[in-house]
Amino acid sequence: KQEVTQIPAALSVPEGENLVLNCSFTDSAIYNLQWFRQDPGKGLTSLLLIQSSQREQTSGRLNASLDKSSGRSTLYIAASQPGDSATYLCAVSPRGGATNKLIFGTGTLLAVQP
Amino acid sequence: DAMVIQNPRYQVTQFGKPVTLSCSQTLNHNVMYWYQQKSSQAPKLLFHYYDKDFNNEADTPDNFQSRRPNTSFCFLDIRSPGLGDAAMYLCATSRDLGLAAVNEQFFGPGTRLTVL
Repeated sequence: KQEVTQIPAALSVPEGENLVLNCSFTDSAIYNLQWFRQDPGKGLTSLLLIQSSQREQTSGRLNASLDKSSGRSTLYIAASQPGDSATYLCAVSPRGGATNKLIFGTGTLLAVQP
Repeated sequence: DAMVIQNPRYQVTQFGKPVTLSCSQTLNHNVMYWYQQKSSQAPKLLFHYYDKDFNNEADTPDNFQSRRPNTSFCFLDIRSPGLGDAAMYLCATSRDLGLAAVNEQFFGPGTRLTVL
């Protein structure tokens, strides 16, 4: 059974710092991995999607990597800003079933201090 | 802007009183999903529609039903809400199912359900 874990559960950094969020999954048989942002009481905003054949994706100050063999993904945020404060969720789409299903981690709550 | 819309954003219902949550999309996507997210927990898929084909997750309680009358709209019906059904309900869409980026999911803002 696929399980997704995110460490740390919470992180506080000063503005301007570069940071890395971690995601691990127990079964490397996945179609893709997706990183989301969730603001308090709001829905999910898709940040990056990495297909299983890819190693990384970049969007602006965000860079996500995928190492399928070790079951790990990282989300790198450069030059953090207070507006980056949110919960970051990763989710995998497991092989062996419909390609629609997403298995989520419980997220990392990020606070960027001005 | 193309988007996923959920109404209402906040819904209060009484224990056992049926409630319907609404989702609409202007993306013209084939697939629509409903997730349940309880406080401080990960979102959990309840079911999805591929066009008109309904796909229920094995552990989704019978209390939860869904309707998709057309491509744009999808409804979540909770027949007899219990206190344990209080949660954020998230609607999502994807262009299609498949191995490429067509299965990237786009989420609405969610409906927070309170059960009194």
